[in-house]
Amino acid sequence: ETGVTQTPRHLVMGMTNKKSLKCEQHLGHNAMYWYKQSAKKPLELMFVYNFKEQTENNSVPSRFSPECPNSSHLFLHLHTLQPEDSALYLCASSQDWGRDQPQHFGDGTRLSIL
Amino acid sequence: RKEVEQDPGPFNVPEGATVAFNCTYSNSASQSFFWYRQDCRKEPKLLMSVYSSGNEDGRFTAQLNRASQYISLLIRDSKLSDSATYLCVVNRGGGSYIPTFGRGTSLIVHP
Repeated sequence: ETGVTQTPRHLVMGMTNKKSLKCEQHLGHNAMYWYKQSAKKPLELMFVYNFKEQTENNSVPSRFSPECPNSSHLFLHLHTLQPEDSALYLCASSQDWGRDQPQHFGDGTRLSIL
Repeated sequence: RKEVEQDPGPFNVPEGATVAFNCTYSNSASQSFFWYRQDCRKEPKLLMSVYSSGNEDGRFTAQLNRASQYISLLIRDSKLSDSATYLCVVNRGGGSYIPTFGRGTSLIVHP
């Protein structure tokens, strides 16, 4: 059983749709992350939140909009996505944002853009 | 040179074999290093942190070589269940905690 839960597990959407990905962590962690994993490519960090504040935006296009209402929940709002945005989106958490902080990942949302 | 480089493999070994992977990193200021394991279509899971003095956990041993800027993972007495992709993670360093993942090394352990 994972301490980080993501919904939905799978999502198919058109390029003009708006949808949201949800992540919830039950580990009492203070930092949460969004990653993108495309086929044959390494995980790419997208956003980092520490104590609900965004600390990193790794040059992510504005069609991806994160929201962190509290330390346990993280959303990724999607709007006007492109076919190349099809990927596995992983949420992770760690005790704090800083060095020597291993991360715990959710199962991911597999996103397909038509 | 890529920030974090791994041989994608696959490494195809028989049960009981000893296998080792290396991961090179480009930023000499990097301070934190990890190995994660990712099974097919699953999320990455922390395998072990890599400390300056090395780290051993059962059949798994991780080493850090700062002079040559690489970390290694040694797996002894391979099991079928060790088949997975092993991801190297290096925090960028120099005041940045951004983790950079390698593409992973695929290991297949066969009977």
